[in-house]
Amino acid sequence: QLALTQSPSASASLGASVKLTCTLSSGRSNFAITWHQQRPEKGPRYLMKLNSDGSHTKGDGIPDRFSGSSSGAERYLTISSLQSEDEADYYCQTWGTGFGVFGGGTKLTVL
Amino acid sequence: QVQLVESGGDLVKPGGSLRLSCAASGFTFSDYYMSWIRQAPGKGLEWLSYISSDGTIIYYAESVKGRFTISRDNSKNSLFLQMNSLRAEDTAVYYCARVISSSAWTGLGYWGQGTLVTVSS
Repeated sequence: QLALTQSPSASASLGASVKLTCTLSSGRSNFAITWHQQRPEKGPRYLMKLNSDGSHTKGDGIPDRFSGSSSGAERYLTISSLQSEDEADYYCQTWGTGFGVFGGGTKLTVL
Repeated sequence: QVQLVESGGDLVKPGGSLRLSCAASGFTFSDYYMSWIRQAPGKGLEWLSYISSDGTIIYYAESVKGRFTISRDNSKNSLFLQMNSLRAEDTAVYYCARVISSSAWTGLGYWGQGTLVTVSS
């Protein structure tokens, strides 16, 4: 069964950059993922689709500060020029015939 | 713009049933696969089920297989989740979501605001 692994927490200072990681389980390095942001007490918001080659397609209105990249089984979300509003939970998601799966989420704290 | 609005969440007793609805607008509903996802209090997101654009392809997570039924009415731009034999562990906010690209099961691209289901005696 495919699994996605995320670190439970991350932190970075206001104005800095942070790189969040989502790791696909063994043998699944060709899978695309999506990244989603969930601010406190809000529903999730789609950020981008990220392919295995690092190409990505962002959702409507997602700032240029958000970007994605890939390396092997790792999928990354980089947020630059961190703002207080970026403090949120970030989830990766992937899919296949008959299933969908989410990573456990990373709670990002902006210091 | 794409809008998804869930409804039907409520307090229900263990063993009871509930039907959730998701009203879609701002896109051609019949072109897109749809999905249900839930989030238990203080927990992460859990994928539950998806349904193809024409309703002929349906899959469920093991945690709800045999108890939950997904369906859609393309004439009414609506998605449904019939939940039977509810358990305390089904307590969660339930979200409907649309995939990114038409006519295929792909990544999720749009979310509703969620509806709360509480299972308690």
